[in-house]
Amino acid sequence: AQTVTQSQPEMSVQEAETVTLSCTYDTSENNYYLFWYKQPPSRQMILVIRQEAYKQQNATENRFSVNFQKAAKSFSLKISDSQLGDTAMYFCAFIKGTTGKLIFGQGTTLQVKP
Amino acid sequence: DTGVSQDPRHKITKRGQNVTFRCDPISEHNRLYWYRQTLGQGPEFLTYFQNEAQLEKSRLLSDRFSAERPKGSFSTLEIQRTEQGDSAMYLCASSYRQGDEKLFFGSGTQLSVL
Repeated sequence: AQTVTQSQPEMSVQEAETVTLSCTYDTSENNYYLFWYKQPPSRQMILVIRQEAYKQQNATENRFSVNFQKAAKSFSLKISDSQLGDTAMYFCAFIKGTTGKLIFGQGTTLQVKP
Repeated sequence: DTGVSQDPRHKITKRGQNVTFRCDPISEHNRLYWYRQTLGQGPEFLTYFQNEAQLEKSRLLSDRFSAERPKGSFSTLEIQRTEQGDSAMYLCASSYRQGDEKLFFGSGTQLSVL
């Protein structure tokens, strides 16, 4: 079975600093996608970043970047220059192949402090 | 592009009643997904459609739950004889097509069963 594990239930960071959220996953598949989603208090799930497993290059979206270690099955999210609006719950998620069926981790609550 | 729309945003019902939720995906998205999320947890997959065909149902979807997507446009999720354990946020998501594994989520329907 595919699983996604986020071992940090809560984290906090000072505004403008950098924070890294951890995620590990378990799969025997070779073709898959990994995601980070953000869920602010409004509970709208927002896609932050996506990584295709076949790509060795780490994905980057503005202040958000990932460290994808395929052999270690690790997929961490780095947020640079943290902003108050980054306060949210962050979910790591995995899709096998092209089913589109997302498997989510338990989430990490991130608080950005002024 | 108005995003994924869900209605209602909140629903309070008494145990044993039937409820129905609606999801309107992003126009031209042919895949539509339903997820359930309880407080403090990641969303769990319930079912998904490609156009009007329901391709997969989770074991979480008991026979009290039924989902439809007539004509491959909007979808409805019905829960019959609601139980207190059905209280959760029900999230709908859509994606453009197989191979474009980016899911866009609606704001969800929060169900409270008293």
